Amino acid sequence: DADVTQTPRNRITKTGKRIMLECSQTKGHDRMYWYRQDPGLGLRLIYYSFDVKDINKGEISDGYSVSRQAQAKFSLSLESAIPNQTALYFCATSESRAGSGAFFGQGTRLTVV
Amino acid sequence: AQSVTQLGSHVSVSEGALVLLRCNYSSSVPPYLFWYVQYPNQGLQLLLKYTTGATLVKGINGFEAEFKKSETSFHLTKPSAHMSDAAEYFCAVSDGRKGGKLIFGQGTELSVKP
Repeated sequence: DADVTQTPRNRITKTGKRIMLECSQTKGHDRMYWYRQDPGLGLRLIYYSFDVKDINKGEISDGYSVSRQAQAKFSLSLESAIPNQTALYFCATSESRAGSGAFFGQGTRLTVV
Repeated sequence: AQSVTQLGSHVSVSEGALVLLRCNYSSSVPPYLFWYVQYPNQGLQLLLKYTTGATLVKGINGFEAEFKKSETSFHLTKPSAHMSDAAEYFCAVSDGRKGGKLIFGQGTELSVKP
């Protein structure tokens, strides 16, 4: 089983719909992240959480919200999806120590039509 | 603020040739530097990282990178390319104080010709 699991892997939704992307991890890490990947732009940080009660905005948080339901679960919501939110979304986890890097899930490909 | 610039969005090499993927960073504090690889339809996998100590870092699959503070660079190399190296490569920086919070470059797609 994967250490960082994202569901769904693929999703097509309509403009204006609310959608939730889910992430769960078995690595026991405190820190979890949501990134968005767009061609030519690399990965950009949407939200991050250092523990269940510590949630922070990243560089592109507008239009998104998150929920840290437990140490192992971190979900990303699009309250009212728009076409420019079409992208590949990654969840990642890391240890708390400096320089630990991050472990990534397989990604969720989201298309907003 | 930190930033990463990867020079060249696409690099093409012949099988057996040297692979060189360029990465320059900007950081006001000592950086932690990472290279990740992404194969089609997969997540990102850590290739190697520099934290402290030896500036030449060896990673998986024969890749290595050298941290050069004076040049603010962390270029990725492999002496001999293999077809299986075709993928997208991302350089990333962290300031360490924020744990795994990473700032990524734009990515470089590596093609390997037979």
